[in-house]
Amino acid sequence: GAGVSQSPSNKVTEKGKDVELRCDPISGHTALYWYRQSLGQGLEFLIYFQGNSAPDKSGLPSDRFSAERTGGSVSTLTIQRTQQEDSAVYLCASRNAGGETQYFGPGTRLLVL
Amino acid sequence: EDQVTQSPEALRLQEGESSSLNCSYTVSGLRGLFWYRQDPGKGPEFLFTLYSAGEEKEKERLKATLTKKESFLHITAPKPEDSATYLCAVLGGQNFVFGPGTRLSVLP
Repeated sequence: GAGVSQSPSNKVTEKGKDVELRCDPISGHTALYWYRQSLGQGLEFLIYFQGNSAPDKSGLPSDRFSAERTGGSVSTLTIQRTQQEDSAVYLCASRNAGGETQYFGPGTRLLVL
Repeated sequence: EDQVTQSPEALRLQEGESSSLNCSYTVSGLRGLFWYRQDPGKGPEFLFTLYSAGEEKEKERLKATLTKKESFLHITAPKPEDSATYLCAVLGGQNFVFGPGTRLSVLP
């Protein structure tokens, strides 16, 4: 595809349930980032993948959050035992190894009831 | 610690009224400064990358400039379709640090 895609576009879940959010980066991009954007707030870094290197997980807010990237392409962000404060837009971005600019997907809007 | 601040928080302009948005930053070893536009309910859309002080880039009614401590996004004769949140970010090491954004409203 031409750009970064994310699914689902919207997700409503009940408190305590687990959710999985998917990101398909731009083909050939080796770097992949996950961010969280709460209503009216800036982007909060969550996790960064670069090629086959160990991911930088320094932004994950708790051990309920995890992410993996399979085959250096698709990434899944998993939130276990969701809480109401997890409600936000989760954005994925990818970057070419040879460049600095990252390109964003449309985001997944998560609402925890 | 890398930091980015943006001002003003919100800006209302009349159509055709030019203005500037500010992004102030502190970063160890700037690899790039980035401007994005974000419309409600959408992901950020890339506008510009600036790499070194003195650099300028233009796109339609927008011009971005960079100094060693700040960047400006100049909007010339804005139109209502320029209404959006404008985000600034810096890349120092491997991770990007974003500012809180400036919400721009251009009234017809």
